Amino acid sequence: NAGVTQTPKFQVLKTGQSMTLQCAQDMNHNSMYWYRQDPGMGLRLIYYSASEGTTDKGEVPNGYNVSRLNKREFSLRLESAAPSQTSVYFCASRPLHTEAFFGQGTRLTVV
Amino acid sequence: SQKIEQNSEALNIQEGKTATLTCNYTNYSPAYLQWYRQDPGRGPVFLLLIRENEKEKRKERLKVTFDTTLKQSLFHITASQPADSATYLCALDPRTGRRALTFGSGTRLQVQP
Repeated sequence: NAGVTQTPKFQVLKTGQSMTLQCAQDMNHNSMYWYRQDPGMGLRLIYYSASEGTTDKGEVPNGYNVSRLNKREFSLRLESAAPSQTSVYFCASRPLHTEAFFGQGTRLTVV
Repeated sequence: SQKIEQNSEALNIQEGKTATLTCNYTNYSPAYLQWYRQDPGRGPVFLLLIRENEKEKRKERLKVTFDTTLKQSLFHITASQPADSATYLCALDPRTGRRALTFGSGTRLQVQP
């Protein structure tokens, strides 16, 4: 049972480059989330998907887009990376009003 | 505006003592409150969930209290061990609106042997 799997684990981008962070869960959860974590800031919600076919903005959505490809997969895209997007990104999934399961994170550096 | 506050300063305690971490919130009406543990370089791991109509929840050496009048949760680790050293995050689960957990910034606990 893999839980929540994120790829890649590490990435370095140049300013202006684009990339997609992948996330997949095998627990049949309806809800999936993307958070970013910066020192002293805690986890901040970027986008979430309450169910397959729906996505909603979180606290810090600017500069990002998401796709809920199917029930298992929820991807996060940076169209034109900026140094301010240097962060650790976590994907999570859960049924409503229960515990969240997190991936191992993607450490992204934009130079 | 909505705010969740956890003590940003690290908490240092001796092995065997009880660690108490605080989570305060404003402008929220959470239906549930959750606590997570996060180790360096890893994703958060769920520990406990408490509902708004519950005062206290226990799991082994862990205890959580939830006071919706004070808008505060306390997280206790009894008989602490060096292996308990980590960052602990509280998260609020709203009753309505955005159906996503909102996290505090976490408190780092260091248990000295």
